Amino acid sequence: EVQLVESGGGLVQPGGSLRLSCAASGFTFSSYWMHWVRQAPGTGLVWVSRINSDGSSATYADSVKGRFTISRDNAKNTLYLQMNSLRAEDTAVYYCARSMTTVTVYYWGQGTLVTVSS
Amino acid sequence: QSALTQPPSASGSPGQSVTISCTGTSSDVGGYNYVSWYQQHPGKAPKLVIYEVSKRPSGVPDRFSGSKSGNTASLTVSGLQAEDEADYYCSSYAGSNKYVVFGGGTKLTVL
Repeated sequence: EVQLVESGGGLVQPGGSLRLSCAASGFTFSSYWMHWVRQAPGTGLVWVSRINSDGSSATYADSVKGRFTISRDNAKNTLYLQMNSLRAEDTAVYYCARSMTTVTVYYWGQGTLVTVSS
Repeated sequence: QSALTQPPSASGSPGQSVTISCTGTSSDVGGYNYVSWYQQHPGKAPKLVIYEVSKRPSGVPDRFSGSKSGNTASLTVSGLQAEDEADYYCSSYAGSNKYVVFGGGTKLTVL
């Protein structure tokens, strides 16, 4: 069974940093592209970033480009999202997700809440 | 403002069919056959119900079907059941820069 468990969310002040982790199990982690998708309270889904299977290539939404960095450790079956210069509008539940092949977001974790507030 | 446009709400009675639209542009929905649909119940993670326009993942009932015409994709839920009441989001591949874009979501109510 595919399992994705996010951690690292919490309350952070504007301008601060946070690192999210996503522990993967139930599949060969190193074979799949991975994504982060976020959802602000009461609103829709917004794609944040993706990374290819060996970690050599990443893409970011314009809203986070230059502030967020996606990475992975295939030896630890773990996906990361380093978030710097956080803003109030970054407040959201952040979901870790696995691709079906490359483009399609297939399996989702339960999410971790990030709140940016003073 | 979401990149893809969905109606905010849709409804139908048990047993009926309902169709939800998702309108984009030639740079996303119209340009690629990578349209997906997700079902999200309150407080839960999204679940993939349709991918690559019309394919169903294993375990998704065949009551769920998808199609596309030009820049508009559609999700049809036939034989509505109470458990189908949820938010539904479409998404599309949008090229190597934007990558994936989502619609704003449609709240489906089973009357």
